[in-house]
Amino acid sequence: EAGVAQSPRYKIIEKRQSVAFWCNPISGHATLYWYQQILGQGPKLLIQFQNNGVVDDSQLPKDRFSAERLKGVDSTLKIQPAKLEDSAVYLCASSLILGNEQFFGPGTRLTVL
Amino acid sequence: EDQVTQSPEALRLQEGESSSLNCSYTVSGLRGLFWYRQDPGKGPEFLFTLYSAGEEKEKERLKATLTKKESFLHITAPKPEDSATYLCAVWVQGAQKLVFGQGTRLTINP
Repeated sequence: EAGVAQSPRYKIIEKRQSVAFWCNPISGHATLYWYQQILGQGPKLLIQFQNNGVVDDSQLPKDRFSAERLKGVDSTLKIQPAKLEDSAVYLCASSLILGNEQFFGPGTRLTVL
Repeated sequence: EDQVTQSPEALRLQEGESSSLNCSYTVSGLRGLFWYRQDPGKGPEFLFTLYSAGEEKEKERLKATLTKKESFLHITAPKPEDSATYLCAVWVQGAQKLVFGQGTRLTINP
């Protein structure tokens, strides 16, 4: 069974530029999550989707971050404009249903200069 | 505020030296507690789910246990390949989201 796919794996941008990350969850998983992981910390939830509807986006900085999950499968997370403090690893995860064990992709390491 | 705290932050052991990692939590309602392993440059890898106090799960040299306020990850006779960061996370019933601890960085020296 294929795991969660993410791209790109690495991205370096200047502050105030925009960036987008892509995620393809495990086939059949209804729930998709985006996390931000700063070095030395545990992942912090940004947004979670059930099919193509948003379940929770309370910790998403909506002035600069946006996310969508079209057709209830793939998802994109966008940052515009980026700040230095956005440097982190962005992890995508999926689960069969909300609350079940989550399976993570390899992450995208973002560096904002 | 829902909080998950792991200790110690880092642990260095000799190969074969058994020990335990701790995860304590204060949340409004626990639906499940999850343990993950994370290797450098990779996403977290699922290990165990525990749902109720007294429950235990085992996998190779790892055993996870759960009480009403904390969970332990026991590692028996560890090998260098067990070196990783171990993350604990709690699914909070009311908030309907997973809250992670900061992780324990485990190093096993040969």
